[in-house]
Amino acid sequence: GAGVSQSPRYKVAKRGQDVALRCDPISGHVSLFWYQQALGQGPEFLTYFQNEAQLDKSGLPSDRFFAERPEGSVSTLKIQRTQQEDSAVYLCASSGQQGNTIYFGEGSWLTVV
Amino acid sequence: QKEVEQNSGPLSVPEGAIASLNCTYSDRGSQSFFWYRQYSGKSPELIMFIYSNGDKEDGRFTAQLNKASQYVSLLIRDSQPSDSATYLCAVNMNSRGYSTLTFGKGTMLLVSP
Repeated sequence: GAGVSQSPRYKVAKRGQDVALRCDPISGHVSLFWYQQALGQGPEFLTYFQNEAQLDKSGLPSDRFFAERPEGSVSTLKIQRTQQEDSAVYLCASSGQQGNTIYFGEGSWLTVV
Repeated sequence: QKEVEQNSGPLSVPEGAIASLNCTYSDRGSQSFFWYRQYSGKSPELIMFIYSNGDKEDGRFTAQLNKASQYVSLLIRDSQPSDSATYLCAVNMNSRGYSTLTFGKGTMLLVSP
């Protein structure tokens, strides 16, 4: 596609519910990133994929967070047993093999009530 | 000390003035630097990137980099109300062995008509 596509755009989850957020990166982009952005903060790194390999998951805040990219294209970020502190915008970004430029999707806005 | 520091603002300037946004970073090995604009409720949008010391101009925007002082800035000439947004400074921390971005908290810019 023309840009990074994320779904759902908005999600309200009850505390304790599991959620799955999907990212479809720019076609051909090798690198895929997930960031978390809380209100009034800059994006915080969560995890990084190069093709299907998850090379860095050091930013995932707890073992309730899990990400995958099984075929090296679409990625899913899963949050189990959601807590109120998980409320944030989850941004997916991708970049090509050559450059450093990272392009963001519109984000998935998660509210846990 | 945070890795990327920005004044949160808001920075208020009148229409037509020059807006100056500043950012400092801690990793001396950082090689590339990015400015993103983020409108309320939207995802970050890349404005400019800079790799070399000195100035880089693109239309009304000028990015300035001083690696010795670990300082990067963004100047916006002839500011317009439509420039009102949060400006995120991001630094490519290649120390992980791949390119990813570490963001500051962002500076809110308000341009008054």
